Amino acid sequence: GNSVTQMEGPVTLSEEAFLTINCTYTATGYPSLFWYVQYPGEGLQLLLKATKADDKGSNKGFEATYRKETTSFHLEKGSVQVSDSAVYFCALLVYQGNQFYFGTGTSLTVIP
Amino acid sequence: DGGITQSPKYLFRKEGQNVTLSCEQNLNHDAMYWYRQDPGQGLRLIYYSQIVNDFQKGDIAEGYSVSREKKESFPLTVTSAQKNPTAFYLCASSSQDLGLQPQHFGDGTRLSIL
Repeated sequence: GNSVTQMEGPVTLSEEAFLTINCTYTATGYPSLFWYVQYPGEGLQLLLKATKADDKGSNKGFEATYRKETTSFHLEKGSVQVSDSAVYFCALLVYQGNQFYFGTGTSLTVIP
Repeated sequence: DGGITQSPKYLFRKEGQNVTLSCEQNLNHDAMYWYRQDPGQGLRLIYYSQIVNDFQKGDIAEGYSVSREKKESFPLTVTSAQKNPTAFYLCASSSQDLGLQPQHFGDGTRLSIL
């Protein structure tokens, strides 16, 4: 079946630390992959996406590379800020049947 | 500014009562979605609609109902048949030409049982 597995949180980092949030997936066919961010008290916002293998999505200093060989889409940022504190969701879209799947979310807290 | 408006932000329901959550969008998007978010779980799809007057069940549709009489509006009714309605509900929309990828989300409605 199709699914997304994210590293469990919560994750707490100091400001300017390096961030990695792991995401692996299982999917039939060739899915598109996404990262969404949810700030406290708000809905989700699309952060970045990649639609085919080896694509790199990037936005606001965050990056993720679609790795078909390891079925992964890990989120990285070189230097986190307090304002990055949020919950991050990995997701995939399987075009056959147009099914969209979210991971369970990873809570990130950045402390000054 | 274009976006999705969900109301109310907080909602309380008595046992045996139906409640309706509002979702309005002015993005001219064809597709709209309702998700439920529970602590420690990802988002789960309740219903979605790709076009006016048509909607499909998601993974956890039991105890919920929707309507799509207008393109801008996709209200969700939580019926008394939903035994565990306490959750955070998110509405989303997307344009059809980008596939069924939710692009915009509302700020959510938190439903609690009195």
